[in-house]
Amino acid sequence: ETGVTQSPTHLIKTRGQQVTLRCSSQSGHNTVSWYQQALGQGPQFIFQYYREEENGRGNFPPRFSGLQFPNYSSELNVNALELDDSALYLCASSPPGSGELFFGEGSRLTVL
Amino acid sequence: AQSVSQHNHHVILSEAASLELGCNYSYGGTVNLFWYVQYPGQHLQLLLKYFSGDPLVKGIKGFEAEFIKSKFSFNLRKPSVQWSDTAEYFCAVNEGARAGNMLTFGGGTRLMVKP
Repeated sequence: ETGVTQSPTHLIKTRGQQVTLRCSSQSGHNTVSWYQQALGQGPQFIFQYYREEENGRGNFPPRFSGLQFPNYSSELNVNALELDDSALYLCASSPPGSGELFFGEGSRLTVL
Repeated sequence: AQSVSQHNHHVILSEAASLELGCNYSYGGTVNLFWYVQYPGQHLQLLLKYFSGDPLVKGIKGFEAEFIKSKFSFNLRKPSVQWSDTAEYFCAVNEGARAGNMLTFGGGTRLMVKP
């Protein structure tokens, strides 16, 4: 149990819809990162939030956006869903000054 | 762009066999290196990490890894595997402080240990 919780655990959407995924970071962790893990692949970095601002982004289009709240919890929003967006979305938090990530169990998104 | 290669996609071993999983990365500068494990139905967990110092790193559950800078490698080893080691193993690299917490992961190695 890492203390990083994500919701929902599973969801199904159709192409063109929008989705919001939520993450509560572990207590004391001020940095939150989001990763996409497609079936049979390793996680890919989407972006990172620190002090409520995005401070690092991977190779994902602008329709992937996020927020971090004052309590360090975070949201991942994906607009105009595509079939290829079907994946496990992982949230990870880390304490100040640490390079270690603590992962949640993920939200599995299926786009039909 | 940084890339991480795990050459073994699937490994099947019998209990008590020795394990070595390969990991190679492409970045030539200072790196932080990690091995994560994902047991069936569970979240990614850190096995071990290398930031600096002794290139032979010991982690949890009897795992160790050796950083060989000249070979851009960070191979994971365990002298004697158990059935409970059945899981997927991911190597990951961070390009030092400037990359924040951005990790580049390899594609994973699925290990099955037969009892």
